[in-house]
Parts: sequence; structure tokens; C-alpha cells
Amino acid sequence: AQSVTQLDSQVPVFEEAPVELRCNYSSSVSVYLFWYVQYPNQGLQLLLKYLSGSTLVESINGFEAEFNKSQTSFHLRKPSVHISDTAEYFCAVRSKDYKLSFGAGTTVTVRA
Amino acid sequence: DTGVSQNPRHKITKRGQNVTFRCDPISEHNRLYWYRQTLGQGPEFLTYFQNEAQLEKSRLLSDRFSAERPKGSFSTLEIQRTEQGDSAMYLCASSLVGRGSVEAFFGQGTRLTVV
Repeated sequence: AQSVTQLDSQVPVFEEAPVELRCNYSSSVSVYLFWYVQYPNQGLQLLLKYLSGSTLVESINGFEAEFNKSQTSFHLRKPSVHISDTAEYFCAVRSKDYKLSFGAGTTVTVRA
Repeated sequence: DTGVSQNPRHKITKRGQNVTFRCDPISEHNRLYWYRQTLGQGPEFLTYFQNEAQLEKSRLLSDRFSAERPKGSFSTLEIQRTEQGDSAMYLCASSLVGRGSVEAFFGQGTRLTVV
């Protein structure tokens, strides 16, 4: 069975400050990891994914995540956040039949 | 392609009534998933289809829930005799399995409120 733990439920951060959202997973098979973002009353949007290869993956809007097999982690980072990054972020692991198991989410609130 | 489309976006119903939601996946996607998201939680898997075949149902999907995907295109999720505990966001996702793609694309969701 696969599962995901997001260690922080709420992360307040000031604009232009860095942010890190922590995610740990458990999986007995090959790992495919994802970060999704959800804005209020919206569906999920894929932020970035790790499938194989380089352990550092980046998104087009400045987020990056690093896959660490020894620590079973896939933490999400952004060096400088904007007000528009206020949202809920979900880490997910994909099973071999393509189902996603999500963490409970981390709410990021960016303040001016 | 406009992505995954779900209707309605919001539904308020009285306890005991039946409701039906619709999901239109991205065309040519062969997989379609339903997830449920309650307040403060991540989405939880309910069921999925490979084309028109329903391949798995979660234990979360009680007998009051039924899903269909006739002709392997759109899907419907019906809840009979709704209960207050059914209040949640119902998310649909689709993906193209077997041709190198691994991503699931989500719709905007249907928010159900049972009063």
C-alpha cells in the first residue's frame, strides 16, 4: 500500500520569502510522485512530477521539488513566493494501476 | 480541448434526495477516475474506469453510490438517498494510460451540500 504524509497543515509566509512544504511517502514499488495545487473552489492543477531521472524537478512558475529515496521525501520549495501562490498544495503518489493517493494538504497563506 | 468538465459545479440537496453528477473527460483519454474530497482533507479515491469498464471501487463507495461510463466517454456518479455525510467536493480526473503519459488531469469538481 502507498501513502503520503504532509507534515505541515498550514504554512504562513511573507511575500518574497522562501517556502518549503514537506512530503514523505511510503511505497513498496517504483515511485511516481506529484505535487498538485488547488485554489479555492477549484479542481487540482498539476504543479510538477517526478517519474525517473534527475531527482530535482522544476515547474514553470518557480517551484521545485527534490526526490530523496533514502529519506522517502519529495519536499516542495520556492525561493520567493507571491501573493498569488496562496493556495492548498497536495503531494500524491501514484500506484501501478495509476490511482493517486494524496496527503492531507498544506495550506499556504502569503502575506504582504 | 477544454480539459475535464464537470457539471454541475455546485449542488444543494435535501437529505434523502438522489443526485447525479456528470464528468466529461479529455477526449481520447481511456481512464476516468472519481475522487471525493472533504473539508481539510486530500482527495480520496472512489472508483475508476478503463474505457467503459469499471475496474475498481473503493470501500468508501457504499451501495448508495453508483457510477457509469457508457460508451467509454462521459461518466455519471449517482448518490441515492443522500446523507449529510455525503457533503463533499466530488472530483473527476482522466488520463491516457498505455501511451507514455502518466498525468491525471482534474476537473473543477462538483461541490455537494446535503441539508
